[in-house]
Amino acid sequence: EAGVTQFPSHSVIEKGQTVTLRCDPISGHDNLYWYRRVMGKEIKFLLHFVKESKQDESGMPNNRFLAERTGGTYSTLKVQPAELEDSGVYFCASSRATAGGQNIQYFGAGTRLSVL
Amino acid sequence: ILNVEQSPQSLHVQEGDSTNFTCSFPSSNFYALHWYRWETAKSPEALFVMTLNGDEKKKGRISATLNTKEGYSYLYIKGSQPEDSATYLCAFEAGGNRLAFGKGNQVVVIP
Repeated sequence: EAGVTQFPSHSVIEKGQTVTLRCDPISGHDNLYWYRRVMGKEIKFLLHFVKESKQDESGMPNNRFLAERTGGTYSTLKVQPAELEDSGVYFCASSRATAGGQNIQYFGAGTRLSVL
Repeated sequence: ILNVEQSPQSLHVQEGDSTNFTCSFPSSNFYALHWYRWETAKSPEALFVMTLNGDEKKKGRISATLNTKEGYSYLYIKGSQPEDSATYLCAFEAGGNRLAFGKGNQVVVIP
């Protein structure tokens, strides 16, 4: 079974440009999450999809960030326009639907975004 | 704001020695406590998910305990090996699925 895959693994862009990150979750996982780790800090939650619906987007920093999951399969996270403080590692994770059970989230290797 | 603290932030361990470190988390609204093992540029690997007070889980030489009443979890590595070098991440789940992470315990095992 393939794990969570993220593309690209590394992106270097200039301030003001647009970048789109992609995440392919584990097949059959309804839950998809985006997290971000800024250097020196902890991994922080951005948002959570259940299938194609945004369940919780309270961690999104501002309206320059747009996440989509059309069709409930892969997801994209677009940053437009990128600012210097957006630099960090963006992780995607997925998990099966849970009904009060354990919610093991499987992570991708992340996309390292550098905004210059 | 969910405050998850891990200590020590980093530690060096001689090969063959055992070690442990701590994760503290809010004792209210507890749903689950997750431990991950993470090597830079790789995917964080799920080690344990613990939900009940007093839970103890083991995976090879690594084990973890949980105290939800006082809000802490310990991770133990027995007989450390160089391949144990990694950052160990603790994450608190209050329900709603989102995880609140600590900064991690960075472990370097010296051969």
